[in-house]
Amino acid sequence: EAQVTQNPRYLITVTGKKLTVTCSQNMNHEYMSWYRQDPGLGLRQIYYSMNVEVTDKGDVPEGYKVSRKEKRNFPLILESPSPNQTSLYFCASSLEGSDGNTIYFGEGSWLTVV
Amino acid sequence: AQSVTQLDSHVSVSEGTPVLLRCNYSSSYSPSLFWYVQHPNKGLQLLLKYTSAATLVKGINGFEAEFKKSETSFHLTKPSAHMSDAAEYFCVVSEWYTDKLIFGTGTRLQVFP
Repeated sequence: EAQVTQNPRYLITVTGKKLTVTCSQNMNHEYMSWYRQDPGLGLRQIYYSMNVEVTDKGDVPEGYKVSRKEKRNFPLILESPSPNQTSLYFCASSLEGSDGNTIYFGEGSWLTVV
Repeated sequence: AQSVTQLDSHVSVSEGTPVLLRCNYSSSYSPSLFWYVQHPNKGLQLLLKYTSAATLVKGINGFEAEFKKSETSFHLTKPSAHMSDAAEYFCVVSEWYTDKLIFGTGTRLQVFP
C-alpha cells in the first residue's frame, strides 16, 4: 500500500529541546516536502527536496532543518523549538514534483512546544 | 507569483442541497489546480485535479470542478450534500518552477440535517 508515514503523530515538548519528526515513503518518489498548517493560513511549505542530497527552502524555513540522505526518508529537525512552532505538520511526496502528479500526504504530526 | 483565494471561510448547507465552494487563482502560466479535503483530525485527501486537459474535472465522492480561464476560477461543486461531506476544503495551485503547492486558506463546510 502506498504510504507516507510520519512519526511521532503527537508530541508535546519544551522550548529549546531538539526534536526530529521522521517521514518515510514507500513509493520510490523523488520529490518530498514538509508543510505546516496553522488556523486561517492553510498549509505553508517549510522545505522541499527534489532528490537525494537536494533540498531547498520553502516559504517558512526559519527554525527548521531537513536532510535527504536516502530517497525514502526526509526528516524535519527542530534544533531549538519555540512556542511559535506549535503547529500541525505534514510530510508529502510525489513522483516528480506536484505538477499533475498525485501528491501523497502523511497523516500529520501535532507538535506543541511549551 | 501564483496564488489562490478561497472566497468563503465557512459554508453551511442542508443535507441534500447543492454545494458550491469558490476558488480564484492567479497564475502567469497554465496552472495545475487541485482540491483537497481534510476531515477532522485526519490528513489530506485529493478530491480532484486539473492539469490542462478537460476543463470540467470530476473527482471522488460526487465532487467536480470547472476550470474557467476567463474568470480565473476553479470552483468546487456537488449536486447534493451528504453529512459525511462536512470537512475543510483546500484549493491548491502548483508552482511550476519549484513544484511547490500553494494552498488557499481553506473553506470549512458544515452540513446540517
